[in-house]
Amino acid sequence: IQLTQSPSSLSASVGDRVTITCRASQGISSYLAWYQQKPGKAPKLLIYAASTLQSGVPSRFSGSGSGTDFTLTISSLQPEDFATYYCQQLNSYPLFGQGTKVEIK
Amino acid sequence: EVQLVESGGGLVQPGRSLRLSCAASGFTFDDYAMHWVRQAPGKGLEWVSGISWNSGSIGYADSVKGRFTISRDNAKNSLYLQMNSLRAEDTALYYCAKGRGGSYLRVFDYWGQGTLVTVSS
Repeated sequence: IQLTQSPSSLSASVGDRVTITCRASQGISSYLAWYQQKPGKAPKLLIYAASTLQSGVPSRFSGSGSGTDFTLTISSLQPEDFATYYCQQLNSYPLFGQGTKVEIK
Repeated sequence: EVQLVESGGGLVQPGRSLRLSCAASGFTFDDYAMHWVRQAPGKGLEWVSGISWNSGSIGYADSVKGRFTISRDNAKNSLYLQMNSLRAEDTALYYCAKGRGGSYLRVFDYWGQGTLVTVSS
């Protein structure tokens, strides 16, 4: 299985709606998670089972999709959201996408 | 509070071995799968290996299969990674991560801060 995230990077402004896509090379049902990583820090789990928000994660984050196509949406980008985001599939073995860096415009 | 503290990293020559440890606290260690994930400088995340709660299921990335061995000691609340035949491309920050359940096919809900492994002559 391969995971392809797009875009690899994006520039956005505070308040923007941001969407990141993750595509699996074969169907993985809803075995997909999203993580956020800030520079110098360990990754943080945001969403699991494609659309379930991890406890404590702000509701501006949401996930959707099943099968091969998934999206992470940040409804209104906040200053603390500038980071790199990774998808991860857990259908057969843990595998991360290549990451999407969200930068300040 | 869940805490994962990695140790054992350092500078090692190509072809040599190193053993990483992860000390866990703040949760019932023997209920959960555990993982090693690495991140080469300036690169993305790469899952290295995972082990189920009772060591009954173990998995490795193809890049380390046959060279690395994961293990756990539930009595000591500790996770290990024995790394043999190290290569320059194994240079990375190695994270210990807790699975959300007993199977290693569950998301990683807590991570340590990592231990740096540098393979160079």
